[in-house]
Amino acid sequence: NAGVTQTPKFRVLKTGQSMTLLCAQDMNHEYMYWYRQDPGMGLRLIHYSVGEGTTAKGEVPDGYNVSRLKKQNFLLGLESAAPSQTSVYFCASSYSTGHNEQFFGPGTRLTVL
Amino acid sequence: SQKIEQNSEALNIQEGKTATLTCNYTNYSPAYLQWYRQDPGRGPVFLLLIRENEKEKRKERLKVTFDTTLKQSLFHITASQPADSATYLCALEGSSNTGKLIFGQGTTLQVKP
Repeated sequence: NAGVTQTPKFRVLKTGQSMTLLCAQDMNHEYMYWYRQDPGMGLRLIHYSVGEGTTAKGEVPDGYNVSRLKKQNFLLGLESAAPSQTSVYFCASSYSTGHNEQFFGPGTRLTVL
Repeated sequence: SQKIEQNSEALNIQEGKTATLTCNYTNYSPAYLQWYRQDPGRGPVFLLLIRENEKEKRKERLKVTFDTTLKQSLFHITASQPADSATYLCALEGSSNTGKLIFGQGTTLQVKP
């Protein structure tokens, strides 16, 4: 099992450009999450999904969109990147009920110039 | 607003000693509390989960306590080893079934041989 994978690992964007981060999991998990991690601020939840076809906003959703068309994939989109979105992005997944451990991917380091 | 505080200063201890990390929270009544380990350049890895009605949880050399009156969790690593050097994150979860976690900023532990 590959667990949770993320692509790409690194990306540099110019302000105003768009991109999509892909998260895939092969554990048949229902729940998936997108976080961003900034120095001194810990992990902050951007969006999450409790099942295929459903998404919901987290703590810091502005400037991001998500889609969960397939159970195993969770996409995070930046329509018009801003320097404030420079961060490390982590995807995570967990079993169908809450109160379970989350399995994290290796992260995507994004720089917006 | 909800706030989680972990010691921002790194904790340096000698190999073989017990490391104790603190997680304090305010304006929140979590039903569950989780601890994760994060190594540089990698995603967090789950360690332990403790429920609000549990006072203590153990796993090998790890012990977690949860005091809902003090609004505090303590994370202990006994007989610490240099391989335990990492950043440790605490995360709180409410009683809803979404699995949404609120993370602290983490405490870096350095175990010296």
